[in-house]
Amino acid sequence: DQQVKQNSPSLSVQEGRISILNCDYTNSMFDYFLWYKKYPAEGPTFLISISSIKDKNEDGRFTVFLNKSAKHLSLHIVPSQPGDSAVYFCAAIGSGNTGKLIFGQGTTLQVKP
Amino acid sequence: DGGITQSPKYLFRKEGQNVTLSCEQNLNHDAMYWYRQDPGQGLRLIYYSQIVNDFQKGDIAEGYSVSREKKESFPLTVTSAQKNPTAFYLCASSPGTSVFISTDTQYFGPGTRLTVL
Repeated sequence: DQQVKQNSPSLSVQEGRISILNCDYTNSMFDYFLWYKKYPAEGPTFLISISSIKDKNEDGRFTVFLNKSAKHLSLHIVPSQPGDSAVYFCAAIGSGNTGKLIFGQGTTLQVKP
Repeated sequence: DGGITQSPKYLFRKEGQNVTLSCEQNLNHDAMYWYRQDPGQGLRLIYYSQIVNDFQKGDIAEGYSVSREKKESFPLTVTSAQKNPTAFYLCASSPGTSVFISTDTQYFGPGTRLTVL
């Protein structure tokens, strides 16, 4: 049972435009969400996070939006750059105080020059 | 330089052999985690440890074993019982496990790609 879903396996955008990566979740008990970026053959690196008490968190070119009623979050990258090309994972902190991360399947972003 | 190291980067194993993947961190983090990544799938949790000498099974623990004798080290053994061990294995650590602390972000090592021949 996939509790965190990224339904788009891939996304291609032009350099300078906005990239929007989407993530849906099923467990209303999740209260903290993270986005990770991963290059091939490397470990994921933390990008940005959001607590369920917020609906938006911004860090430079990256903004994450959370819609709790829809159980949906999105990552906006603007402007997109070729170096942003990577796999992006959405993750949620599991219920209970274990720190377990539940990951989505990932979305491969390609930013074309 | 603080960080998480995993070795080796590439590992080959013959079917039926056990193999141990190394994970070391010098971040003074309490919690450590092992994930595997398969193509088209998210990271799946194998085992995690919140404190020295204690560890818990994750979602796909069958065929794996771990130990946490030191805070800095969390080795993963892939046993011959693991039916499909070929994958990319990622180790991570975090300062603690409270969801109310923003520093609970998990930091990942570079990964080990295990191939069973």
